[in-house]
Amino acid sequence: AQSVTQPDIHITVSEGASLELRCNYSYGATPYLFWYVQSPGQGLQLLLKYFSGDTLVQGIKGFEAEFKRSQSSFNLRKPSVHWSDAAEYFCAVVGTSGSRLTFGEGTQLTVNP
Amino acid sequence: DTEVTQTPKHLVMGMTNKKSLKCEQHMGHRAMYWYKQKAKKPPELMFVYSYEKLSINESVPSRFSPECPNSSLLNLHLHALQPEDSALYLCASSQPRLDYEQYFGPGTRLTVT
Repeated sequence: AQSVTQPDIHITVSEGASLELRCNYSYGATPYLFWYVQSPGQGLQLLLKYFSGDTLVQGIKGFEAEFKRSQSSFNLRKPSVHWSDAAEYFCAVVGTSGSRLTFGEGTQLTVNP
Repeated sequence: DTEVTQTPKHLVMGMTNKKSLKCEQHMGHRAMYWYKQKAKKPPELMFVYSYEKLSINESVPSRFSPECPNSSLLNLHLHALQPEDSALYLCASSQPRLDYEQYFGPGTRLTVT
């Protein structure tokens, strides 16, 4: 069965600093990988996705993520964080058989002014 | 239009009430989902409809009753809920063959008193 681990429950960064949120997955083959963001009391918004091809994927709001098969990782990055990026971030995986979406436990991002 | 709408935004109900949550999408998606999300946790899948037929029921108690009247609408009928059912209820949609790329609505914040 597939699984996702987000090792960091809570991360605090200063506005303008760079950001990296970690995500590790467990799956027998190459999965489909996603990052979602959720602002307080809101639904989930898809930031970016990886299906195949170029291992560095660009998303919305200036985010990018890199798929590293050797490390079973799909870390999310942003070069300069804005106060509006404060939110909960979920990494998710689906196996290529089209099974259900499995979420990590989430990382809460706080941005200090 | 890449929007999934949900009504109401907030709902407070007693344990003996009957209420319904509604979800609508106009993206032509033929798969729709209900998730339950408790605070500080990832969404948990409840039901999946594919081509208006229930395809997945994650052993959800019968006090939750889903309905898919047509390809654009998804309802969740609530009856005799318990306080522990208080949560954010999220609707999502996708194309059935691409059920990994799900678009989420903003959710209904449900409080059971």
